[in-house]
Amino acid sequence: RKEVEQDPGPFNVPEGATVAFNCTYSNSASQSFFWYRQDCRKEPKLLMSVYSSGNEDGRFTAQLNRASQYISLLIRDSKLSDSATYLCAVNNGPYSSASKIIFGSGTRLSIRP
Amino acid sequence: DTGVSQDPRHKITKRGQNVTFRCDPISEHNRLYWYRQTLGQGPEFLTYFQNEAQLEKSRLLSDRFSAERPKGSFSTLEIQRTEQGDSAMYLCASSLAKPAASNTGELFFGEGSRLTVL
Repeated sequence: RKEVEQDPGPFNVPEGATVAFNCTYSNSASQSFFWYRQDCRKEPKLLMSVYSSGNEDGRFTAQLNRASQYISLLIRDSKLSDSATYLCAVNNGPYSSASKIIFGSGTRLSIRP
Repeated sequence: DTGVSQDPRHKITKRGQNVTFRCDPISEHNRLYWYRQTLGQGPEFLTYFQNEAQLEKSRLLSDRFSAERPKGSFSTLEIQRTEQGDSAMYLCASSLAKPAASNTGELFFGEGSRLTVL
């Protein structure tokens, strides 16, 4: 089993739609969770961290479910500019200690006019 | 430019040759990561450093791969006797490992070094 697994996609949705991605992780000791965005031929950039209580940043909402070991990303009122690959990432230990960050394979999102 | 820089951006080599990539992280960042990414896949963890110490190396990394960060600043990734399967984008990222309210644990990536092995 992969350490971090994501919906394979691709997702092709109309502008204005709501879309949700899920990501599961295998290490129950994982402490830190992130969503990154990667545009075509560009490097990944942090979209948002995922906190235990869930967090929202504008049209983006991230949730964490420790019991089921998954994180989710919800995008509301999608824009053409949201077209990208979304990568979930998991840090396999407390941030204050040394631990690696593992990425999922990514979910490709295309927003159509 | 105060971001992560990687050099060279593109490298074309013949099978069997050695190649070396360099990464200069953000100056105050003490953690440095190397990833490999192929088309349609997410970044695959290779290795990471905290200061000059190499803390973990992926078992996917054969003995042809070696990474160093001799003074805890820049890092090099060397691939010996390259194979066609080594063709990929090699990404470097840095972060600040310090427990602080403002520290999200964010990785800052360079633009990558694309390797093509003929």
